Amino acid sequence: DGGITQSPKYLFRKEGQNVTLSCEQNLNHDAMYWYRQDPGQGLRLIYYSQIVNDFQKGDIAEGYSVSREKKESFPLTVTSAQKNPTAFYLCASNQGAPDTQYFGPGTRLTVL
Amino acid sequence: SQQGEEDPQALSIQEGENATMNCSYKTSINNLQWYRQNSGRGLVHLILIRSNEREKHSGRLRVTLDTSKKSSSLLITASRAADTASYFCATDGTNAGKSTFGDGTTLTVKP
Repeated sequence: DGGITQSPKYLFRKEGQNVTLSCEQNLNHDAMYWYRQDPGQGLRLIYYSQIVNDFQKGDIAEGYSVSREKKESFPLTVTSAQKNPTAFYLCASNQGAPDTQYFGPGTRLTVL
Repeated sequence: SQQGEEDPQALSIQEGENATMNCSYKTSINNLQWYRQNSGRGLVHLILIRSNEREKHSGRLRVTLDTSKKSSSLLITASRAADTASYFCATDGTNAGKSTFGDGTTLTVKP
């Protein structure tokens, strides 16, 4: 069963804590992406990676960090430096632009 | 900054009617894609149209692209209640590696 999985589906964090969101794909895609979505808005790109061991900042990278040690995995860490982290986080993958992106089901992060 | 902007922000129609959504963008593109998102879910790809194409069909979907006006439209014919969702356009600019999404159109189809 191919696809992208994200875990957990819901995540609660206390202020000042770092938290890591998981994203795994078994589509053998080279490129992976992290987006943030706020209520009623579109997707904003946080980080993307076109190949293992390499990644680039997107439009809103401040307060976030990523790693790409394996082709199938692209975890996102939301650090305490992110001032307003409550949002819906979406991971996607493809064979590289301009290919279609395949999205995971998302993780909803709430800061208490 | 957002490359694509959808219009209208929200659209409410009766089942069986057609729904038209528009997307405008600012810079040159390689292609434009439309995605659908059900509430609280990930996005699902609907259709891709390349910069050298003017129109594309997929089932009840019809997409047009006018590169001179930097705009695209998505038409859903004979809408169903199950079409209720948010629809986003995404553009791949001449800088490879990433897409830029608009803020979406929220479509409600009343049974």
